[in-house]
Amino acid sequence: AQSVAQPEDQVNVAEGNPLTVKCTYSVSGNPYLFWYVQYPNRGLQFLLKYITGDNLVKGSYGFEAEFNKSQTSFHLKKPSALVSDSALYFCAVRDTGKLIFGQGTTLQVKP
Amino acid sequence: GAVVSQHPSRVICKSGTSVKIECRSLDFQATTMFWYRQFPKQSLMLMATSNEGSKATYEQGVEKDKFLINHASLTLSTLTVTSAHPEDSSFYICSAYVATYYNEQFFGPGTRLTVL
Repeated sequence: AQSVAQPEDQVNVAEGNPLTVKCTYSVSGNPYLFWYVQYPNRGLQFLLKYITGDNLVKGSYGFEAEFNKSQTSFHLKKPSALVSDSALYFCAVRDTGKLIFGQGTTLQVKP
Repeated sequence: GAVVSQHPSRVICKSGTSVKIECRSLDFQATTMFWYRQFPKQSLMLMATSNEGSKATYEQGVEKDKFLINHASLTLSTLTVTSAHPEDSSFYICSAYVATYYNEQFFGPGTRLTVL
């Protein structure tokens, strides 16, 4: 079965510093990987996805993610964090049409 | 494009009553919709997959008689929580799957259910 894991419950970073939210995956075959962000009491907003092609995927709000096949990772990154980036982030993998989500990582960006 | 709405956004009900939550795709047709449940500060747990015109497919451990799902049209799916109890209090989120949008799912804003 396909799965993703987010090893960090929370990531703290100072505004203006680069941020990384980690995700590793376990799939059979080619992975379809996604990142979503959730603000309090809201649904999920799509950030970016990897289907095939370039390993560096650029997404919304200045976020990007790097697909690393050898390390089975799909870490989310941003060069300069904003306080408004503080939210809950989910990595997900598609499995026969369904999305399987990681545990979520809370990102706290402090001014 | 690809907007999904949910109604109501928040509902409070008494124990034993039934609550219906609507999920609509506003500007596209979705052959498949998904229903998720999320507890505070936890991940989304898939409850069921809803296909237009057919019975929903429930995930293991989800009571189909308690969580009734109807997908009567390509733009509307409903989740009815029957005889709700306090343990059913949760955040319910739907999503619509669109193959033409590179197989993406688009999520609704969620419904906060509180059962007293």
